[in-house]
Amino acid sequence: AQTVTQSQPEMSVQEAETVTLSCTYDTSESNYYLFWYKQPPSRQMILVIRQEAYKQQNATENRFSVNFQKAAKSFSLKISDSQLGDTAMYFCAYMNRDDKIIFGKGTRLHILP
Amino acid sequence: NAGVTQTPKFQVLKTGQSMTLQCAQDMNHEYMSWYRQDPGMGLRLIHYSVGAGITDQGEVPNGYNVSRSTTEDFPLRLLSAAPSQTSVYFCASSYLGQGSYEQYFGPGTRLTVT
Repeated sequence: AQTVTQSQPEMSVQEAETVTLSCTYDTSESNYYLFWYKQPPSRQMILVIRQEAYKQQNATENRFSVNFQKAAKSFSLKISDSQLGDTAMYFCAYMNRDDKIIFGKGTRLHILP
Repeated sequence: NAGVTQTPKFQVLKTGQSMTLQCAQDMNHEYMSWYRQDPGMGLRLIHYSVGAGITDQGEVPNGYNVSRSTTEDFPLRLLSAAPSQTSVYFCASSYLGQGSYEQYFGPGTRLTVT
């Protein structure tokens, strides 16, 4: 069965610093999708970034980028120039052709002023 | 475009009661799903559907029923509520087969079973 592991339950960084959130997953599939979702205190789930496994190029969305290492089954999220509004829970998620989405347990990120 | 809507936002049930959590989307998405979120557990998939008339079980389906009679609606039924079902429930939807699979989430329902 596929699993998603986020090894950092909680992190804190100063505003404007760069922070990297870790995610590893286990699968025997070759085609799949990976996502990072953000959940601020409002509870609303928001897509941050996605990566398709067949694409070698790492996805980037403004200050957010990923380091996708397919062989190592690693999918880390880098947030550059962190802002107070980045304070949230971050969830890594995996989806394959079975259409089931597996979420990690989340990393609570605090951006400190 | 309302996106994904869920009702109610909050609900308190007594053990043994039944209820239906409503979920609707107006984006013509084929895929709809229900998750529960518990502290320290992330989001766990309860049931999902890839189209009207088609449903399947996720990771934690016991105690829950779903049906998908229309593309827009995907209600979640609690047959006999138990305290272990106290949680925040999220409904989500997405397109299928277009290389996206981005999940659009509803605002969630906080359910307490006493």
